[in-house]
Amino acid sequence: DGGITQSPKYLFRKEGQNVTLSCEQNLNHDAMYWYRQDPGQGLRLIYYSQIVNDFQKGDIAEGYSVSREKKESFPLTVTSAQKNPTAFYLCASSIRGEVQFFGPGTRLTVL
Amino acid sequence: GENVEQHPSTLSVQEGDSAVIKCTYSDSASNYFPWYKQELGKRPQLIIDIRSNVGEKKDQRIAVTLNKTAKHFSLHITETQPEDSAVYFCAASRGISGQNFVFGPGTRLSVLP
Repeated sequence: DGGITQSPKYLFRKEGQNVTLSCEQNLNHDAMYWYRQDPGQGLRLIYYSQIVNDFQKGDIAEGYSVSREKKESFPLTVTSAQKNPTAFYLCASSIRGEVQFFGPGTRLTVL
Repeated sequence: GENVEQHPSTLSVQEGDSAVIKCTYSDSASNYFPWYKQELGKRPQLIIDIRSNVGEKKDQRIAVTLNKTAKHFSLHITETQPEDSAVYFCAASRGISGQNFVFGPGTRLSVLP
């Protein structure tokens, strides 16, 4: 777990703003994932990437965008098109699609 | 696609008792089944996992059983302690085949002293 970092820990967004959440890993994992977690709920997949320069939409990709220019980095942008973005965002990485290691999370609040 | 169901959604046990959480999955090609524990406000952490070529795995007070025919797997926690209180998530994956994880909705376990 210590090999995955997310920043910032807390993020406040005004309506109409785009914000970018950072996720970096030094585990040399090929696959990276973004999940959204609402209070008392499970993990919903936003986007995932299995190799550099390639990514796929998950179950709730609308209003989000990602890039994977480097193996170590998988930033998530929450766009103004996401109407209810207040949530806890978790980044994860895995090797060969098995054990997933999670970052500490970013708590996003819309003001 | 894969669908994972998890029961119960909440579970309360007395300290020292056992707790059992059950998951079912739909995709017969899934071959990797991890369990994660998430404490309040923290990240999920892997506590145990099992692959399809094994029927049971134990790690101290925690065990997982897998029935591939019935497509279900269960988490067993014995001699529960207050620090076991958390939300537990199961997941299913095709593993090395490259398919992404599908998580169950979670079980909130409360261990009462």
